[in-house]
Amino acid sequence: GDSVTQMEGPVTLSEEAFLTINCTYTATGYPSLFWYVQYPGEGLQLLLKATKADDKGSNKGFEATYRKETTSFHLEKGSVQVSDSAVYFCALSARGNEKLTFGTGTRLTIIP
Amino acid sequence: DGGITQSPKYLFRKEGQNVTLSCEQNLNHDAMYWYRQDPGQGLRLIYYSQIVNDFQKGDIAEGYSVSREKKESFPLTVTSAQKNPTAFYLCASSHRGLGDTQYFGPGTRLTVL
Repeated sequence: GDSVTQMEGPVTLSEEAFLTINCTYTATGYPSLFWYVQYPGEGLQLLLKATKADDKGSNKGFEATYRKETTSFHLEKGSVQVSDSAVYFCALSARGNEKLTFGTGTRLTIIP
Repeated sequence: DGGITQSPKYLFRKEGQNVTLSCEQNLNHDAMYWYRQDPGQGLRLIYYSQIVNDFQKGDIAEGYSVSREKKESFPLTVTSAQKNPTAFYLCASSHRGLGDTQYFGPGTRLTVL
């Protein structure tokens, strides 16, 4: 079945450090890929998405590129801020029209 | 402001009682969803509805029930048959159906004593 594997957390970085959160997937067909972010005590917010191979999603300084050859959608940010502390979820929708399958989430903490 | 509201934010119930969680959206979205979130796990789909008066089971529907009588509302009932109901429950909606970007409410934390 469809699945998403994220790097284990928690991840702790200093402010202005470079961030990478790895995400790989298994899916039939050509899935749509998403990154959602959850701030403490809140629901999830869409951070970015990509719907076809080689697409790059970007938002708020975060980027992720849909790599079909490596079945990956790694999240990156060049310089993190304390306000980026949250839990990040990678997700897919198989064939772009099926239910979302989520990874287990990666908790990120940024230290001033 | 358009969005999704869930109430209450915190809910406590005694074991063996049914409890209903509210979810309302004013985004004019067709599809609505209920997820359960447990520590260290991703979100798991309980039920979803792509149109009024129709809904489908998700991956973990046992012990839960829903209704979709209005486009704006998708309440979830946690029944006494749900063996481990303590969790964080998230409601979401999307403009179209499955695969479309989902927008989430703030969640309800249910604790069964």
